[in-house]
Amino acid sequence: EAGVTQFPSHSVIEKGQTVTLRCDPISGHDNLYWYRRVMGKEIKFLLHFVKESKQDESGMPNNRFLAERTGGTYSTLKVQPAELEDSGVYFCASSQETGQGARETQYFGPGTRLLVL
Amino acid sequence: GNSVTQMEGPVTLSEEAFLTINCTYTATGYPSLFWYVQYPGEGLQLLLKATKADDKGSNKGFEATYRKETTSFHLEKGSVQVSDSAVYFCALSTGGFKTIFGAGTRLFVKA
Repeated sequence: EAGVTQFPSHSVIEKGQTVTLRCDPISGHDNLYWYRRVMGKEIKFLLHFVKESKQDESGMPNNRFLAERTGGTYSTLKVQPAELEDSGVYFCASSQETGQGARETQYFGPGTRLLVL
Repeated sequence: GNSVTQMEGPVTLSEEAFLTINCTYTATGYPSLFWYVQYPGEGLQLLLKATKADDKGSNKGFEATYRKETTSFHLEKGSVQVSDSAVYFCALSTGGFKTIFGAGTRLFVKA
């Protein structure tokens, strides 16, 4: 069974450009999460989808970030325009819907390393 | 608010040494506690978890006990191997779907 995959693995862009990150969850997982780790600090929650619906986007830093999950399968996270402080590692995770919330095991992808110059 | 504090790294040990990585938390209610591990070039993997006070989570020789009185969830392993070199994250969830992570502790194990 394929795990969570993320694309690209690395991205280097200039300030003001646009970048789109993609996450493919494990097949059949209704829950999809985005997290971010900045400069070796804690991993912070960005948002949570159940199928195609955003359930919680309280962690999104500002309106330069847009996440979508059309059709309830893969998800994209777009940063437009990118700023220097957006640099970090963006993780995606998925889990089954069992009614256990975050107690259900979340499976993480390898992350996308974003560097904004 | 809810938060997780774990010891700063890096931690460098020789093979077969005893490992402790400290983790304390602040949370409302009764959180579930987790340890995740990230091996080089890979995503985070759930290492172990505990869902109530005095529970002990264990996996691959690692253990952690949920201590409500000290709000701690320290990770231990009796004899580390080179293959245990990774970044370890302590985390909690108070319900819902949001997981709160610590800053991570990098472990280096020398042969």
